[in-house]
Amino acid sequence: AQTVTQSQPEMSVQEAETVTLSCTYDTSESNYYLFWYKQPPSRQMILVIRQEAYKQQNATENRFSVNFQKAAKSFSLKISDSQLGDTAMYFCAFSTASKLTFGTGTRLQVTL
Amino acid sequence: DAGVIQSPRHEVTEMGQEVTLRCKPISGHDYLFWYRQTMMRGLELLIYFNNNVPIDDSGMPEDRFSAKMPNASFSTLKIQPSEPRDSAVYFCASSSSTSGRAADTQYFGPGTRLTVL
Repeated sequence: AQTVTQSQPEMSVQEAETVTLSCTYDTSESNYYLFWYKQPPSRQMILVIRQEAYKQQNATENRFSVNFQKAAKSFSLKISDSQLGDTAMYFCAFSTASKLTFGTGTRLQVTL
Repeated sequence: DAGVIQSPRHEVTEMGQEVTLRCKPISGHDYLFWYRQTMMRGLELLIYFNNNVPIDDSGMPEDRFSAKMPNASFSTLKIQPSEPRDSAVYFCASSSSTSGRAADTQYFGPGTRLTVL
């Protein structure tokens, strides 16, 4: 069975600073996808970024980037130039054969 | 595209009543998923469909829960009879398989907050 671990229940960062959220996973699969989803107070689950396991290059979406270490089974999210609107719960997720497995989430608070 | 549409957004009902949650996936998507989110258990996959056919319902908690997908643009999740422990946020998500790979990006609806008194 696949597991996803987010070891940081809560984090705080000042506006304009950079923050990194950690995620590790466990799987015996060789082909899979990894995602970060954001859930603001509105509850909407919003896709932030996605990484395909067979791609060496780390995914980047504007201020969001990942550090994907396949051998270490690590998939961290870096948010640069943090904005107040980044305040949310962030979930790391693993997908294979259509099924998503989520971590427990990291609550990120961006402060002035 | 309108995205995944769910209704109602909020539902308050009394124990023992039947509850029906509705979902319209993104047009052209061939996978549809139902999730439940609670503080205690986080996000759980309940069931998913491919081309309107249920593929895996191992996450459905018990026989009180049932899901259908009569066509490519509509799915329902029904709870009968409802119990207070069913109170949660229920999400519907859809995705599109590409190049024969089933695992692809899931897009979520806004969720239905269910409260069973």
